[in-house]
Amino acid sequence: EAGVTQSPTHLIKTRGQQATLRCSPISGHTSVYWYQQALGLGLQFLLWYDEGEERNRGNFPPRFSGRQFPNYSSELNVNALELEDSALYLCASGHNTDTQYFGPGTRLTVL
Amino acid sequence: QKEVEQNSGPLSVPEGAIASLNCTYSDRGSQSFFWYRQYSGKSPELIMSIYSNGDKEDGRFTAQLNKASQYVSLLIRDSQPSDSATYLCAAHNNDMRFGAGTRLTVKP
Repeated sequence: EAGVTQSPTHLIKTRGQQATLRCSPISGHTSVYWYQQALGLGLQFLLWYDEGEERNRGNFPPRFSGRQFPNYSSELNVNALELEDSALYLCASGHNTDTQYFGPGTRLTVL
Repeated sequence: QKEVEQNSGPLSVPEGAIASLNCTYSDRGSQSFFWYRQYSGKSPELIMSIYSNGDKEDGRFTAQLNKASQYVSLLIRDSQPSDSATYLCAAHNNDMRFGAGTRLTVKP
């Protein structure tokens, strides 16, 4: 069974640009979670989508947004990129449980 | 006050020893707890989940939960150099809150 996949693996942008990150959950999972992990720091919860709806949001500005598609894949959009947005962005999926399984992550670098 | 607290380490143990990792959480509404292992530059990998007070064993790993003390721990028996990683504790109540992680080094 395929795990959570994320694309791209690496993304380099400049300040002010927009970044789009994508995630495909494990087959059968309806929930997708997004986290930010800045270098040397812990995981910070960004967004939770389930059945196409945003269920919860972490303490991030509105320029962090996303959506979940009918096939349960998801994308995270970050507008007006700032230098401090440079981080590893992790997607996790789950279904009817609290357990979350992580994808390999997208490393975003903002120059 | 951080919602999930872990000693950042580094924790260093010799090969074959027991590694003990500790975690406390502040949200009494948390119902489920998880330990993840994260190798440098990689994503977190689920090791254990625990929902009830007491011990839960899986191979060389034992998770312990004490809800009254708001305390979770992970014991790794017969530690191996391949166990060297950062271990993340997480508590779930509507959303998952992660600790900053404890870096474990197992020396051959």
